[in-house]
Amino acid sequence: EAGVVQSPRYKIIEKKQPVAFWCNPISGHNTLYWYLQNLGQGPELLIRYENEEAVDDSQLPKDRFSAERLKGVDSTLKIQPAELGDSAVYLCASSLLGKEDNEQFFGPGTRLTVL
Amino acid sequence: GNSVTQMEGPVTLSEEAFLTINCTYTATGYPSLFWYVQYPGEGLQLLLKATKADDKGSNKGFEATYRKETTSFHLEKGSVQVSDSAVYFCALSGPPGGGNKLTFGTGTQLKVEL
Repeated sequence: EAGVVQSPRYKIIEKKQPVAFWCNPISGHNTLYWYLQNLGQGPELLIRYENEEAVDDSQLPKDRFSAERLKGVDSTLKIQPAELGDSAVYLCASSLLGKEDNEQFFGPGTRLTVL
Repeated sequence: GNSVTQMEGPVTLSEEAFLTINCTYTATGYPSLFWYVQYPGEGLQLLLKATKADDKGSNKGFEATYRKETTSFHLEKGSVQVSDSAVYFCALSGPPGGGNKLTFGTGTQLKVEL
């Protein structure tokens, strides 16, 4: 069974440019998460979806970040415009249900470098 | 709010040495506790979990016990291998009713040498 797929794996852009990351969760998983992982830190939740609905986006900087999960499957995370401080790894995860002890399965991440 | 504190790394051990990575937490209620492992170039993988006090999670020779009285979930392994070299993250889920939001520690890098 395929795991969580993310693309691209690496992205280098100049500041003020837009960038988008794509995530395909494990088939059948209704809950999808985007996390931000700064160098030397643990992941921090940006947004959580249950099916198509964003049920927790309290940590998403909405002035420049946006996300969507059309049809409750794939998801896209966008930054526009990117800033130097956005350089980090963006992780996508999915789980079968949003229950508190359900395992989250993580993708390999997209490493973003903003110059 | 919820928080997780891990011992700082890197931790460097010789093969077959005993491993302990300390983890303490602050949380509302009784969260589930997790250890995730991240190998170079890969995503995080769940290593083990415990969902209530005194539970012991175990996998691949690693163990951790949910200690409510000390709010700890220390990771241990009796004999590490070179292949265990990775970054280990302690995490908790919660708050109750808030969905499966994970709060992670900063990670501890483990290096195992021959």
